[in-house]
Amino acid sequence: ETGVTQSPTHLIKTRGQQVTLRCSSQSGHNTVSWYQQALGQGPQFIFQYYREEENGRGNFPPRFSGLQFPNYSSELNVNALELDDSALYLCASSLAGTIYNEQFFGPGTRLTVL
Amino acid sequence: AQSVTQLDSQVPVFEEAPVELRCNYSSSVSVYLFWYVQYPNQGLQLLLKYLSGSTLVKGINGFEAEFNKSQTSFHLRKPSVHISDTAEYFCAVSDSGGGADGLTFGKGTHLIIQP
Repeated sequence: ETGVTQSPTHLIKTRGQQVTLRCSSQSGHNTVSWYQQALGQGPQFIFQYYREEENGRGNFPPRFSGLQFPNYSSELNVNALELDDSALYLCASSLAGTIYNEQFFGPGTRLTVL
Repeated sequence: AQSVTQLDSQVPVFEEAPVELRCNYSSSVSVYLFWYVQYPNQGLQLLLKYLSGSTLVKGINGFEAEFNKSQTSFHLRKPSVHISDTAEYFCAVSDSGGGADGLTFGKGTHLIIQP
C-alpha cells in the first residue's frame, strides 16, 4: 500500500509569484484535503476535493485554488504569493463513504516566500 | 464554529515518567476528537480517535485519551514515556469526521523527554 506523497519537498519563491504543489493520495482513497501549517502553529484547513470538485473550504482567499485528477491526485495552486504564505503545506487523503473517513497525511511541502 | 485549545505549548518530562497533554475544545454540535503526532520534518500520524462509545480511547505507542463531555476535554496520557516520544502533539476536532469541513487543530504541544 503506497502512502501519501507530496512534491516538491522544499520550494523557494518570491512575493507575487505563483506556485503549484502536488499530492498523490494513498492507494484506494478518493478524497484529498489540503492544510497550511505556519511555523509554531497547528495545521489550518484550506479545502477538500472529492470527485474532482471542491467539497469544502476553510477561511482562505480565492488565490488559493486546487484541482483533483481522475486518478485522485491533487494540486494546490497559490497565486500572488505573500510573505505570510510561507508555511508547511500538508496534503491528506481519505476514503469518503466510511463512517469516519480518516485522513492520512503526507510529509508536506515547505514553501518559503521571500 | 469549533476551536481547540492546547493549554501547554511545551511539556518537559523525564524518561519513564508519566505524562498528560491537555486539550479542551468548543463546539455547538457532537464532535469527533483526535490526537496526532508530528515528528521533525514529517507529516502527521494519527495516535488515536474518539468517535463514540467508551470515553477511554487507546491508541498506538501506549497512548490513551479520555473524552469528558461535561468538561469539553480530551486529554492525552501515557504512563511511561520514552525518548522516542519527543515530538509535537496536536489535538483536533471535527463535526463531520474530517469531511467537507476538515479538521480543526490546536496549536500543538511540544513534548520534550529528558534522559
